[in-house]
Amino acid sequence: KQEVTQIPAALSVPEGENLVLNCSFTDSAIYNLQWFRQDPGKGLTSLLLIQSSQREQTSGRLNASLDKSSGRSTLYIAASQPGDSATYLCAVNGSGGSNYKLTFGKGTLLTVNP
Amino acid sequence: NAGVTQTPKFQVLKTGQSMTLQCAQDMNHEYMSWYRQDPGMGLRLIHYSVGAGITDQGEVPNGYNVSRSTTEDFPLRLLSAAPSQTSVYFCASSRTASYGYTFGSGTRLTVV
Repeated sequence: KQEVTQIPAALSVPEGENLVLNCSFTDSAIYNLQWFRQDPGKGLTSLLLIQSSQREQTSGRLNASLDKSSGRSTLYIAASQPGDSATYLCAVNGSGGSNYKLTFGKGTLLTVNP
Repeated sequence: NAGVTQTPKFQVLKTGQSMTLQCAQDMNHEYMSWYRQDPGMGLRLIHYSVGAGITDQGEVPNGYNVSRSTTEDFPLRLLSAAPSQTSVYFCASSRTASYGYTFGSGTRLTVV
């Protein structure tokens, strides 16, 4: 059974810092990995999608990497801003050959202080 | 494009009542799924569909039914609501697995 772990569970940083969120998964036979952002009481917003054949994806100040063989992904946020405060969720698609199911980590709650 | 639309946004049910959570997408996506989000448990898959007329169970299907008569709609039915079904429910869709998933804004359900 695929298990996804996100570390740390919570992170508080001053504005302007660069930071790294970690995601690990137990079954490396994934189809792809998706990072989401969730604001309190809201839905999930997709940030980055990395296919299993890719090593990284970038969007603005966000960079996500994937090391499928070691079961790890990182989300790097450059020059953090208070507006980045949210819960960040990592989800892997596919395990055991299935490509329809997302398995989620429990998230990292990020607070960026002005 | 509206994306993935869920209705209602909030609902309070009494134990034993039934209801249907609606989900519609206008992106012609084949894959649709229902997840529930609970504190400390994360998001868990309830049911999913890989196309019209095709549905299957996810991780926590008990107490829920689904059907997919059209590509656009994927309703989730609670047959006899229980307090354990108090949760936030999210519908998601994807063109194929390669494209990633788009989520709706959620339905917050309370069963008393």
